[in-house]
Amino acid sequence: AQSVTQPDIHITVSEGASLELRCNYSYGATPYLFWYVQSPGQGLQLLLKYFSGDTLVQGIKGFEAEFKRSQSSFNLRKPSVHWSDAAEYFCAVEDEKLTFGTGTRLTIIP
Amino acid sequence: GEEVAQTPKHLVRGEGQKAKLYCAPIKGHSYVFWYQQVLKNEFKFLISFQNENVFDETGMPKERFSAKCLPNSPCSLEIQATKLEDSAVYFCASSQSWEGNIQYFGAGTRLSVL
Repeated sequence: AQSVTQPDIHITVSEGASLELRCNYSYGATPYLFWYVQSPGQGLQLLLKYFSGDTLVQGIKGFEAEFKRSQSSFNLRKPSVHWSDAAEYFCAVEDEKLTFGTGTRLTIIP
Repeated sequence: GEEVAQTPKHLVRGEGQKAKLYCAPIKGHSYVFWYQQVLKNEFKFLISFQNENVFDETGMPKERFSAKCLPNSPCSLEIQATKLEDSAVYFCASSQSWEGNIQYFGAGTRLSVL
């Protein structure tokens, strides 16, 4: 069965600093991978997805992620965070249904 | 519609009461998924539908949970005789296909069982 691990429960970053959120997956074949963001009391918004092709994918709000098959990773990055990026971030792998990681809470400090 | 619509936003039930949640998928989407988010972070897949047919129900607790997607009606998730541990946010998502497609999520229904 597929699984997703997000090793960092909580990350604090200064506004304007770069960000990397880690995601490792376990899946037998080429995975369909997603990053979603959840603001407090809100649903999930898709940031980006990887299905195939170019391993560096661009998403909304200036986010990008890189698929590395050798490391079973799909880390999310942003060069310069904004205070509005504070939220919960979920990595997910799809196999007819989504299997989510436990999320990383991002706090932004001025 | 252009977004997944879930109602109500918040539902409060006493233990043992019935709870019914509704989801209207995006128009043109054939697949509907229900997920349960507990402890704020853990998502659990419950059930999926292809149109009105159950596609995958491996995550559904058999005893008290049921779900339907009937033509020309919102999909529904019903919990009979709610328990304290059913308190969670229930999310509905829809997609055009079952694999390799984006699932679009509703804002969720927060169920509080007292």
